[in-house]
Amino acid sequence: EIVLTQSPGTLSLSPGERATLSCRASQSVGNNYLAWHQQKPGQAPRLLIYDASRRAPDIPDRFSGSGSGTDFTLTVSRLEPEDFAVYYCQHYDKPPWTFGQGTKVEIK
Amino acid sequence: QVKLQESGPGLVEPSETLSLTCAVSGYSISSGFHWGWIRQPPGKGLEWIGFFYYTGTTSYNPSLKSRVTISVDTSKNQFSLRLTSVTAADTAVYFCVRGVDSWGQGTLVTVSS
Repeated sequence: EIVLTQSPGTLSLSPGERATLSCRASQSVGNNYLAWHQQKPGQAPRLLIYDASRRAPDIPDRFSGSGSGTDFTLTVSRLEPEDFAVYYCQHYDKPPWTFGQGTKVEIK
Repeated sequence: QVKLQESGPGLVEPSETLSLTCAVSGYSISSGFHWGWIRQPPGKGLEWIGFFYYTGTTSYNPSLKSRVTISVDTSKNQFSLRLTSVTAADTAVYFCVRGVDSWGQGTLVTVSS
């Protein structure tokens, strides 16, 4: 089973700042089958990034994903008020699929 | 555009069986993708429960495998989750999903007598 570890647990930033979120896997994620989801309170998660670096439809280009193997990064170039939320990475390589524990991006 | 909608009892008694259904519209589940379930206990993170692939194979979280069954009804374009012998630890919002790209709105299931 691939264990995903996200850091930091909480990121305190101001609107307009850059956010950099990390997701580290306990073993290599094949085919870079790594996704990032955003979840706001009371809502279902929403896919932002798949295949480590491909933006999902209708996702603003301020969101970008990078990385391969065991180290992956989600970057939000300039935080908008609606970007303050919890972010989860997920791998979908060989089952069982797993999630990281989440990074909360909060307003400083 | 695909839409997924969960339905089922919001309250289940301890030791009983939790049963949920996910109705899919806008895409035929027999055409492709993995179709699965994810849960989120109140105030906690996401836990992958399992999926079935449109070719018929299934895969489950090892920690739940002995209690979980995911089945499909292609005639109704829906799939279901069955979790036996539930305890309070199974209280969560349950989401049905298509692969990684589409989520249902989620349904809260509370295990309590």
